[in-house]
Amino acid sequence: VVMTQSPATLSVSPGERATLSCRASQNINEFLAWYQQKPGQAPRLLIYAASTRATGIPARFSGSGFGTEFTLTISSLQSADFAVYYCQQYNNWPTTFGLGTNLEIK
Amino acid sequence: EVQLLQSGGGLVRPGGSLRLSCAASGFTFSSDEMSWVRQTPGKGLEWVSSISGSGGSTYYGDSVKGRFTISRDNSKKTLHLQLDNLRVEDTAVYYCAKDMRKFEHWGQGNMVTVSS
Repeated sequence: VVMTQSPATLSVSPGERATLSCRASQNINEFLAWYQQKPGQAPRLLIYAASTRATGIPARFSGSGFGTEFTLTISSLQSADFAVYYCQQYNNWPTTFGLGTNLEIK
Repeated sequence: EVQLLQSGGGLVRPGGSLRLSCAASGFTFSSDEMSWVRQTPGKGLEWVSSISGSGGSTYYGDSVKGRFTISRDNSKKTLHLQLDNLRVEDTAVYYCAKDMRKFEHWGQGNMVTVSS
């Protein structure tokens, strides 16, 4: 399953909302996860099952979608949120990741 | 607290071998599936291999099948990845991760560089 993320780069000002998209090449039901990665660090799980926040993830992160279209929304950007975000499908074997969206400060 | 502490990695020539290890703590290691995921600037994140809790079932990506071997020692709570017949395109940061589907816990990563 090919995961396509858009845009590749998103420039947003602190305090504003960011909306990131992920499209699957075939139906993956709700088996979609989102990760945040900062330079030199391992990815951090934010969302799984399309809309369930992982342990300790702030409520400003929310996920939605089903089937082939998914969205990660960050409601009010903080400085710590500027990073690269990846989506991952785990409905089909092997699990596959998108190439990421670089969320940068505007 | 779940912790995954990786060791191994380094520089190796094409055709060479390396062994990566991942020491686990903070959870019942033998009950959980474990995985290796690698990351390159060009291809991004790529699942490499997974193993069942008992070690009886192993899974590999097509790009590494027949060259890499995943294993685990539940008595020592340690996961391993043996990398043989390495190619330049295996150059990446390798992460161990808990689970086989969504990855909530990751090791710190080890750089593997394959170059002549």
